Amino acid sequence: GAGVSQTPSNKVTEKGKYVELRCDPISGHTALYWYRQSLGQGPEFLIYFQGTGAADDSGLPNDRFFAVRPEGSVSTLKIQRTERGDSAVYLCASSAVAGGAIDTQYFGPGTRLTVL
Amino acid sequence: LAKTTQPISMDSYEGQEVNITCSHNNIATNDYITWYQQFPSQGPRFIIQGYKTKVTNEVASLFIPADRKSSTLSLPRVSLSDTAVYYCLVGSGAGSYQLTFGKGTKLSVIP
Repeated sequence: GAGVSQTPSNKVTEKGKYVELRCDPISGHTALYWYRQSLGQGPEFLIYFQGTGAADDSGLPNDRFFAVRPEGSVSTLKIQRTERGDSAVYLCASSAVAGGAIDTQYFGPGTRLTVL
Repeated sequence: LAKTTQPISMDSYEGQEVNITCSHNNIATNDYITWYQQFPSQGPRFIIQGYKTKVTNEVASLFIPADRKSSTLSLPRVSLSDTAVYYCLVGSGAGSYQLTFGKGTKLSVIP
């Protein structure tokens, strides 16, 4: 079946602009996660959704970052007033059950964000 | 969350068995050990998970000693396509929804 998809695959923007990154999880998966990966580093947790609600947003670096999942399926990560330091690959993952580090997370290919 | 330590990089020739060891001295009683694999320009992919002793699947084996303070991922007869970064993660299902990745081990398979 279809895996996790993310659009766009690449996004180039200018400092100060607003961007939206989209994630389509595996159908039926209730848990959805966003991570950010900088070059040479492992993915870093940003936010976790269980259904429509953000169950844990402790990884969001500041209030310029916001994510929604209004119908419990597709999620959008929104970044306001982008900064050069926001440049990274943004990964989305989903899992079938209620979350937890022991549940297999299925990752999408990521969106590479470049802020000029 | 328990911290993990693993080698930054490893090289291996094709056809050899590769063992990557991860240290997790502060592992908690409820924690499981999970390994993910990541190819360039792709998201991480689950390989194997275990709690104690040995676990084997079609891709790899995971060896966990009795004290659980370390674990070893074993890849039998690697091929060039196994060149990737391998991450060792430790966590439980109790209130820790996120996966905590370190820098991983970059495995390079040489022809």
